[in-house]
Amino acid sequence: TQLLEQSPQFLSIQEGENLTVYCNSSSVFSSLQWYRQEPGEGPVLLVTVVTGGEVKKLKRLTFQFGDARKDSSLHITAAQPGDTGLYLCAGFNAGNNRKLIWGLGTSLAVNP
Amino acid sequence: EAGVAQSPRYKIIEKRQSVAFWCNPISGHATLYWYQQILGQGPKLLIQFQNNGVVDDSQLPKDRFSAERLKGVDSTLKIQPAKLEDSAVYLCASSVGLNYGYTFGSGTRLTVV
Repeated sequence: TQLLEQSPQFLSIQEGENLTVYCNSSSVFSSLQWYRQEPGEGPVLLVTVVTGGEVKKLKRLTFQFGDARKDSSLHITAAQPGDTGLYLCAGFNAGNNRKLIWGLGTSLAVNP
Repeated sequence: EAGVAQSPRYKIIEKRQSVAFWCNPISGHATLYWYQQILGQGPKLLIQFQNNGVVDDSQLPKDRFSAERLKGVDSTLKIQPAKLEDSAVYLCASSVGLNYGYTFGSGTRLTVV
């Protein structure tokens, strides 16, 4: 059973378009992290959200944690080719704070 | 600060051979993780250390995989003997402690032929 469901699994868009990636669960998470992974490299932490309803912005990226802390979204405005990569969400389940649960990722391709 | 160092970067071996990967975490990071990642998928935790003790190795195939972190700093992951399905990227990560964000190394891409 996959505790964190990411959608879409694949996304191919043109430069300048906006997009949203979703991370959903039926479980409550005490915190949730978003990573971006480029080919041949390890994942890089983008942001951690902790409070239900929290919104964090990182330049053109906007991250939101659901009010019930069961879901999160990543919105990219005016996507650029440099945004291409695998976006992974991961969270600490409220019932087991020692183990990070990972989604399967959203593979994003931004075409020039 | 220096990042998480991993070596080798690439490794090609024949099935039934042995292989070892090395990881040096960020200085002061108590928690170290080894992950296996199949192309295009999320990472799968193999083993988690807190200092030199094992916190979680429930998904480590213990009949062929072993890992150690003897002095609570760097770590080695070994596969003996390797199978074709072990072909993957092996990622090492470290964090200040439990419940903190992870810093990953660049990984070792293993191909078993």
